Amino acid sequence: QVQLQESGPGVVRPSETLSLTCTVSGGSFSSSYWSWIRQPPGKGLEWIGYINYSGSTNYNPSLKSRVTISVDTSKYRFSLRLNSVTAADTAVYYCARREGGYPNWHFDLWGRGSLVTVSS
Amino acid sequence: QSVLTQPPSVSGAPGQRVTISCTGTSSNIGSRYDVHWYQQLPGTAPKLLMYADTYRPSGVPDRFSGSKSGTSASLAITGLQAEDEADYYCQSFDSYLGGSVFGGGTKLTVL
Repeated sequence: QVQLQESGPGVVRPSETLSLTCTVSGGSFSSSYWSWIRQPPGKGLEWIGYINYSGSTNYNPSLKSRVTISVDTSKYRFSLRLNSVTAADTAVYYCARREGGYPNWHFDLWGRGSLVTVSS
Repeated sequence: QSVLTQPPSVSGAPGQRVTISCTGTSSNIGSRYDVHWYQQLPGTAPKLLMYADTYRPSGVPDRFSGSKSGTSASLAITGLQAEDEADYYCQSFDSYLGGSVFGGGTKLTVL
């Protein structure tokens, strides 16, 4: 079955760039859309954006100016870059598979999450 | 402030029925976009619980059901069990934002 695994640094300094990668195993990578979602400690979920195998993206307008999601189909993985981070970007970052057509998609598979703390 | 509004908490005794509401606006639920629900057990990733308003993924008990009317949706849980204690989130599409929006989450306590 399809599994997702996030990886990346657990601590990022303020004003620097947060980078995470999600590796997909056990299923078809090119037929799906892939998303990033985050959850600040003790708070709710926030959709960051998604990408498909051809590189087509859609971002949350509140983060769009700082976010880049990219895909590497040869390695079955996709990545998140969030620049100019502040303490408000401290969160558990989840990668997830987007299922369903536009605009009624949902997220049917999730990674375990990666806690990223912004701190000097 | 989440785009979709959920009660912060609900509670019920084992065996009882509880409902969790998710209230939106004309740019999301009111535009008939699908509502989806997730269950997040303590310390774990969210899990898809309900999709397209009323459909349960394989493995989700039929004690869970969903409904939608106007600008609101609801998740109902019957025959409440201790293992249902978790946070629940609704999600939909918002045409103004052009992407996914979530509710703030509801903590279910089984008394």
